[in-house]
Amino acid sequence: NAGVTQTPKFQVLKTGQSMTLQCAQDMNHNSMYWYRQDPGMGLRLIYYSASEGTTDKGEVPNGYNVSRLNKREFSLRLESAAPSQTSVYFCASREDSPGQPQHFGDGTRLSIL
Amino acid sequence: AQSVTQPDIHITVSEGASLELRCNYSYGATPYLFWYVQSPGQGLQLLLKYFSGDTLVQGIKGFEAEFKRSQSSFNLRKPSVHWSDAAEYFCAVGARAAGNKLTFGGGTRVLVKP
Repeated sequence: NAGVTQTPKFQVLKTGQSMTLQCAQDMNHNSMYWYRQDPGMGLRLIYYSASEGTTDKGEVPNGYNVSRLNKREFSLRLESAAPSQTSVYFCASREDSPGQPQHFGDGTRLSIL
Repeated sequence: AQSVTQPDIHITVSEGASLELRCNYSYGATPYLFWYVQSPGQGLQLLLKYFSGDTLVQGIKGFEAEFKRSQSSFNLRKPSVHWSDAAEYFCAVGARAAGNKLTFGGGTRVLVKP
């Protein structure tokens, strides 16, 4: 019953460092998503992938890149971390049928000093 | 473009009292609507969803929500709150025409007094 697994759970970076956040799902979902959560702003979509081999920008893509490595895995990369990217990052996946909900991982808490 | 408003940032309720969380959305067509709950340090758990059909939907943990098209609202209710309901609640709207992407409200934090 793993669902959506995110690693690491916590990370502290210095400004300018790079990092990749990992996400894997075992539900055979085509669609996967990366969000960031900031106080009072709900979740905002960074990037999403409707299927293996495709990715699209969301609401706040600047400063991030993504890779849909295979159907299971969708990674988020910060090439040069900035303090404004301090946030909690969530990965989600969903089944393609209409109205299906997204299933979320437990998040990665990232602090950039 | 889709948008979701949760007017109440914080709500404090006594244990055993009823709870209603408000959600208003903006979208031209009929959207999919969801309520998620987030306990501290955890991810988001789906409480319930509306896709089509009966406008009163039942969810887990004794929650229900009513879709009112005329008011563009999808308010969440629980008749009797338990201490374990203290959490943050998020309303979200999605639509097939928008690529099934979700737009989230800012969240409502619920505190439960003993």
